[in-house]
Amino acid sequence: KAGVTQTPRYLIKTRGQQVTLSCSPISGHRSVSWYQQTPGQGLQFLFEYFSETQRNKGNFPGRFSGRQFSNSRSEMNVSTLELGDSALYLCASSLVGGAFYEQYFGPGTRLTVT
Amino acid sequence: SQQGEEDPQALSIQEGENATMNCSYKTSINNLQWYRQNSGRGLVHLILIRSNEREKHSGRLRVTLDTSKKSSSLLITASRAADTASYFCATDAKSGAGSYQLTFGKGTKLSVIP
Repeated sequence: KAGVTQTPRYLIKTRGQQVTLSCSPISGHRSVSWYQQTPGQGLQFLFEYFSETQRNKGNFPGRFSGRQFSNSRSEMNVSTLELGDSALYLCASSLVGGAFYEQYFGPGTRLTVT
Repeated sequence: SQQGEEDPQALSIQEGENATMNCSYKTSINNLQWYRQNSGRGLVHLILIRSNEREKHSGRLRVTLDTSKKSSSLLITASRAADTASYFCATDAKSGAGSYQLTFGKGTKLSVIP
């Protein structure tokens, strides 16, 4: 079975721009979660999608949004980028989802905002 | 916010030695998970232990859970250079909306010297 894939792997954007990151989960997995990882704050939960519905949301501003398609692929969007948005963005898929089962992570997208 | 906190923050050992990492958390949990992350890459699930379990083994890994002390430990026996990575504990934390999200600690950075 192919693992979780994320595109692009690296991205450099300018302050004020917007960015869209993509995640393809493991086949058959219906839950996709997104995390932001920075040296200062560590791993922080952004949101979770299950069957095209946002099931859970972390404590991030509205500039961070996401969606999930009928094939379970997910995208997250960050508008009006700030320097502090520079981070490794990880997505994880799970068969059932939530916090009660193991999650399978992709390699991440490294976003640099200049 | 971090639910789990790992200790120590960094650990350096010789190949062949055992490595022990600890995790403490604040609120009651349904399960606790351990993940490994090689430098700047995606996380790999190691083991999940449910709140009614006290100990779990997987290969060279041994995880214990003490819900009365709100703590867990991960033991890696006969360490190898390939075990060099950051190790995170993650717990299910109830969000304000009543759903659960996986919340990570800041991790223990393990270095295994050949």
